[in-house]
Amino acid sequence: VMTQTPLSSPVTLGQPASISCRSSQSLVHSDGSTYLSWLQQRPGQPPRLLIYKISNRFSGVPDRFSGSGAGTDFTLKISRVEAEDVGVYYCMQATQFPVTFGQGTKVEIK
Amino acid sequence: QVRLVESGGGVVQPGRSLRLSCAASGFTFSSHGMHWVRQAPGKGLEWVAVIWYDGSNKYYADSVKGRFTISRDNSKNTLYLQMNSLRAEDTAVYFCGRWGDDKRIDYWGQGTLVTVSS
Repeated sequence: VMTQTPLSSPVTLGQPASISCRSSQSLVHSDGSTYLSWLQQRPGQPPRLLIYKISNRFSGVPDRFSGSGAGTDFTLKISRVEAEDVGVYYCMQATQFPVTFGQGTKVEIK
Repeated sequence: QVRLVESGGGVVQPGRSLRLSCAASGFTFSSHGMHWVRQAPGKGLEWVAVIWYDGSNKYYADSVKGRFTISRDNSKNTLYLQMNSLRAEDTAVYFCGRWGDDKRIDYWGQGTLVTVSS
């Protein structure tokens, strides 16, 4: 089970935001890697990959997004929130099947 | 560029069947596994199924096991989801996603809406 906190995060433009994702079991694969991703879903849009393997930014993702963590505890940080960052953010584990997602964290502007 | 386009959604009665398609372009389809993920109205993401690049392995969520079948036709660059014995709780937008390196779902389609209602 993937548990995200908070479920809602009102943020002032230009200020940082942080989202936590905790897994009920270790996400370390037998090959030594941890397959934890972060996805962004803007209103009315499909999900978009931001971060994979804990901390790797996907192609085209701004460097204000960063991921960290290990084992069962992971964090997504947005260093300075911009208006286009409004949406719901999901963590996703693919270390084992079934693939599972966190409940989602809604980021909105104060 | 990578493009995934889902189709086949619509309104269907409980107990009936529906087949979704996902047309892929812009990459070598036969080299990538593919996923189906769904999202009920106003809810979060729920993984549905995955198929290996060559169709040799498939995994399903418990909620659809025995009712849904994922398949692919690499000659047509198309992914499918056969949905049988549909229930009201299967109502959702269904997204297909490409399984990229490092077990990431790196590209997503726009989704197709399935509504199960009498």
